[in-house]
Amino acid sequence: EAQVTQNPRYLITVTGKKLTVTCSQNMNHEYMSWYRQDPGLGLRQIYYSMNVEVTDKGDVPEGYKVSRKEKRNFPLILESPSPNQTSLYFCATADRFNEKLFFGSGTQLSVL
Amino acid sequence: RKEVEQDPGPFNVPEGATVAFNCTYSNSASQSFFWYRQDCRKEPKLLMSVYSSGNEDGRFTAQLNRASQYISLLIRDSKLSDSATYLCVVTGNAGKSTFGDGTTLTVKP
Repeated sequence: EAQVTQNPRYLITVTGKKLTVTCSQNMNHEYMSWYRQDPGLGLRQIYYSMNVEVTDKGDVPEGYKVSRKEKRNFPLILESPSPNQTSLYFCATADRFNEKLFFGSGTQLSVL
Repeated sequence: RKEVEQDPGPFNVPEGATVAFNCTYSNSASQSFFWYRQDCRKEPKLLMSVYSSGNEDGRFTAQLNRASQYISLLIRDSKLSDSATYLCVVTGNAGKSTFGDGTTLTVKP
């Protein structure tokens, strides 16, 4: 079954404690992307990757890091989380960058 | 001005009504256009891709007007199950995808 697996589903942490949200896809897609969604706002793109070892900033990259060492995985790293990073995060993949997106189930992150 | 702007909504309509959502985008180099549906903070799911020629899927019709940089979604014969937030998405030629803030639809009995 084609899947985008995102973990964890819920995460509560404290300011400054490094964390990683994992995203894995089994569809052999080239394109992967991270978004955050805040109340009253649409999804805003954090980082995206057109292929292995290629990553680019989206609209809100500050405070985040990503890596794309292999095709299937695209982890989102918060080196020093702050309360303004409390949000709902989605990972998504697509066969090519301009094709339809498949989303993970989301990660609700709370930074205290 | 936002890159992608949608009708703010909310739209509250009775079952059976026809409802139309609009979306405008500012980047004339945009390549791909989509409508996604999102239910209560769950993951967005593709509703339709949008083409200049227009496309229809059952009760749903999407249209793209490149000259006016405008996308629309028409839902006919609304069902209770159509209640959701509808997101307009525009993808550029460098991989960036921009979402509208979404329009909330509530269909009432």
